[in-house]
Amino acid sequence: EAGVAQSPRYKIIEKRQSVAFWCNPISGHATLYWYQQILGQGPKLLIQFQNNGVVDDSQLPKDRFSAERLKGVDSTLKIQPAKLEDSAVYLCASSLEARGLDTQYFGPGTRLTVL
Amino acid sequence: GNSVTQMEGPVTLSEEAFLTINCTYTATGYPSLFWYVQYPGEGLQLLLKATKADDKGSNKGFEATYRKETTSFHLEKGSVQVSDSAVYFCALSSTGNQFYFGTGTSLTVIP
Repeated sequence: EAGVAQSPRYKIIEKRQSVAFWCNPISGHATLYWYQQILGQGPKLLIQFQNNGVVDDSQLPKDRFSAERLKGVDSTLKIQPAKLEDSAVYLCASSLEARGLDTQYFGPGTRLTVL
Repeated sequence: GNSVTQMEGPVTLSEEAFLTINCTYTATGYPSLFWYVQYPGEGLQLLLKATKADDKGSNKGFEATYRKETTSFHLEKGSVQVSDSAVYFCALSSTGNQFYFGTGTSLTVIP
């Protein structure tokens, strides 16, 4: 079974530029998550989708971050404009359903450096 | 609210030593508890999980028991190997599958 795919793996941009990340979840997984992992910290949930609807985006900085999941499959996360403090690894994960018992499967992440 | 507190690292052990990484949680309701591992240069992988009180999760020689009375889920392994060197994250899942992660504990095992 193919895992969660993410691209790009690495991205370096200057502050105030825009950037987008792409995620393809495991086939058949209804729930998709985007996390931000700052160096030395645990992942922090940014947004959770159930199919193509948003379940939780309470920690998404909506003034600069946006995410969509068209057709309930792939998802993109965008930052516009980027700030220095956005430097982090952005992780995408998926699970079969949105229940407390379900395991989340993580992609390799995109490492963003903002200069 | 929901949160996870892990023992701070880094932890350095000799091969074949006993490992304990402490994890305590605060949660409303009855969460599921997880340990994830992140090997150098790789993404997070599920190591083990427990879904109700007194359950024991186990995998690859690692174990953790869901202790509701002490709100803990400590990770243990009787004899660590160099290949166990990684960062270990404790996490809980609340209603709706919202995950809360600890800050991670870095483990280095030396030969």
